[in-house]
Amino acid sequence: AQTVTQSQPEMSVQEAETVTLSCTYDTSESDYYLFWYKQPPSRQMILVIRQEAYKQQNATENRFSVNFQKAAKSFSLKISDSQLGDAAMYFCALSETSGSRLTFGEGTQLTVNP
Amino acid sequence: DSGVTQTPKHLITATGQRVTLRCSPRSGDLSVYWYQQSLDQGLQFLIQYYNGEERAKGNILERFSAQQFPDLHSELNLSSLELGDSALYFCASNPTGTSYEQYFGPGTRLTVT
Repeated sequence: AQTVTQSQPEMSVQEAETVTLSCTYDTSESDYYLFWYKQPPSRQMILVIRQEAYKQQNATENRFSVNFQKAAKSFSLKISDSQLGDAAMYFCALSETSGSRLTFGEGTQLTVNP
Repeated sequence: DSGVTQTPKHLITATGQRVTLRCSPRSGDLSVYWYQQSLDQGLQFLIQYYNGEERAKGNILERFSAQQFPDLHSELNLSSLELGDSALYFCASNPTGTSYEQYFGPGTRLTVT
């Protein structure tokens, strides 16, 4: 069974600084996809970034980038130049090729301090 | 706006009752997923439909059922409701039902009193 673990229930960062959110996962599949979703106070689930396991290059979307360590089964999210609008709950999620359900971690609540 | 719509936005009902949650996927998306977000169990996958057929089942209770109609909208039926069913229910869609990103609707907040 696939599992996703986020060991940081809460994180905080100063505006304009950089923060890294951690995620580890477990799967028996060799081909899978990893995602970070953001859930602001509105509760809407917003896709932040996606990483295909077969790609060695780390994904980047503007101020958001990941550090994907396949052997260690680690998938962290780095937010650069943090903005007040980045404050939200962040969920790490895994989807295996053989079944497309998303398995989510427990979430990390990010606070951005002005 | 993800393009996925869910109705109603909020639902308050009593224990023992039955409710239906509705979801319309993004235009062109064939696959619909239902998730439950509760305080004690986090975000959990319930069930997936692809082009009208059930494709995968997760931690869905026997009191819950779903279907996807020919126009691709989906409904999640919750019956014999209990206090513990109070949660945020999300619908998500993606084009082919494979392991690509899913686009989430705004959710339906269900409160069982």
